[in-house]
Amino acid sequence: NAGVTQTPKFRILKIGQSMTLQCTQDMNHNYMYWYRQDPGMGLKLIYYSVGAGITDKGEVPNGYNVSRSTTEDFPLRLELAAPSQTSVYFCASSYARQGEQYFGPGTRLTVT
Amino acid sequence: GENVEQHPSTLSVQEGDSAVIKCTYSDSASNYFPWYKQELGKRPQLIIDIRSNVGEKKDQRIAVTLNKTAKHFSLHITETQPEDSAVYFCAATDNAGNMLTFGGGTRLMVKP
Repeated sequence: NAGVTQTPKFRILKIGQSMTLQCTQDMNHNYMYWYRQDPGMGLKLIYYSVGAGITDKGEVPNGYNVSRSTTEDFPLRLELAAPSQTSVYFCASSYARQGEQYFGPGTRLTVT
Repeated sequence: GENVEQHPSTLSVQEGDSAVIKCTYSDSASNYFPWYKQELGKRPQLIIDIRSNVGEKKDQRIAVTLNKTAKHFSLHITETQPEDSAVYFCAATDNAGNMLTFGGGTRLMVKP
């Protein structure tokens, strides 16, 4: 049982490039989330999903897109990367709507 | 949307002392309040949570209290140990219960 896994661990992008951050969970959780954490700050919700085929915007969705074609996978797409998107990105999943969220190890992204 | 404020931003205590971290929230419909601990370079992990139908919850050296009237909740750690040193985040759900809004975090340092 690997829990929540994320790839890559680190990535450097040039301004204007695009990339997809991968997130997979093997706990059969319906709820999945993407957060960003800027240095010394709290977590801000980008997008979330309550089940396969259903996604919704969080607090800071601009510049990102998501899809949820399976229960296990919840990729985050960055289009036209900007320096303001430099951050650590965490994916999380939970069994219940208001329950413990299990976080992945994070992806550290730098946009230069 | 929900707004969560957390104080203090840093807290230094001697080993064995108690530590208290306080959070306020804005949405009176919020009904789920988790606390996460994040060690340096690691992912956040849930340490305790409380729901709005309960005023206090304890788990060994950790307790959380909730005052719904005043819209604030607090984390209490007794008999602190060096391994308690970490960043602690409070959070509250939005009125639909799907999204967590996190506070800005408290860096707790326990000096041996």
